Amino acid sequence: DTGVSQDPRHKITKRGQNVTFRCDPISEHNRLYWYRQTLGQGPEFLTYFQNEAQLEKSRLLSDRFSAERPKGSFSTLEIQRTEQGDSAMYLCASTQGGGNDYGYTFGSGTRLTVV
Amino acid sequence: GQSLEQPSEVTAVEGAIVQINCTYQTSGFYGLSWYQQHDGGAPTFLSYNALDGLEETGRFSSFLSRSDSYGYLLLQELQMKDSASYFCAVPPPDNFNKFYFGSGTKLNVKP
Repeated sequence: DTGVSQDPRHKITKRGQNVTFRCDPISEHNRLYWYRQTLGQGPEFLTYFQNEAQLEKSRLLSDRFSAERPKGSFSTLEIQRTEQGDSAMYLCASTQGGGNDYGYTFGSGTRLTVV
Repeated sequence: GQSLEQPSEVTAVEGAIVQINCTYQTSGFYGLSWYQQHDGGAPTFLSYNALDGLEETGRFSSFLSRSDSYGYLLLQELQMKDSASYFCAVPPPDNFNKFYFGSGTKLNVKP
């Protein structure tokens, strides 16, 4: 069990560029979550996958954001036409499912800076 | 909707006991979770209370009062490594598809 891995750890991009982040959950975990965290705030929910199905999306997830989990394993989060307001830490978490989903295992996050 | 309130910052000395409070307003209630996050690190799950009362896990305990919409995290025998931000979080009333997090309490432990 290597925990939840996120790549890259840091990303600096120019406004208007597209970025993609990757998350590898714990291998036996079938639920995967994306959250966004800005400085001094708690994580905010973005989206949730059960296996490969994206079952819930926050209204925070504008049409510039898209997430996939094509084979029910790793997931990607893409932001198109980045804006300075997208600067944040993007956190991925996973849980096993089956009633014990109140405790997430988070990855270390991808810190995005849009300049 | 859901809202959670926590103090923004708490300071305590090494070896002391500190209590971090969380009050919540929810359209329904399922339970209260606590997470620890060191600067630059990942949030780490500490505890989850679904029922009233105190649950102890080593130096950390978590308490819930559903009637008061209130919970707290109690840290005993504080160590320097406990300096971190602590978040309370609640799920929606009927599933664990997501959690709503408070803004966090920054705990500063001084020698």
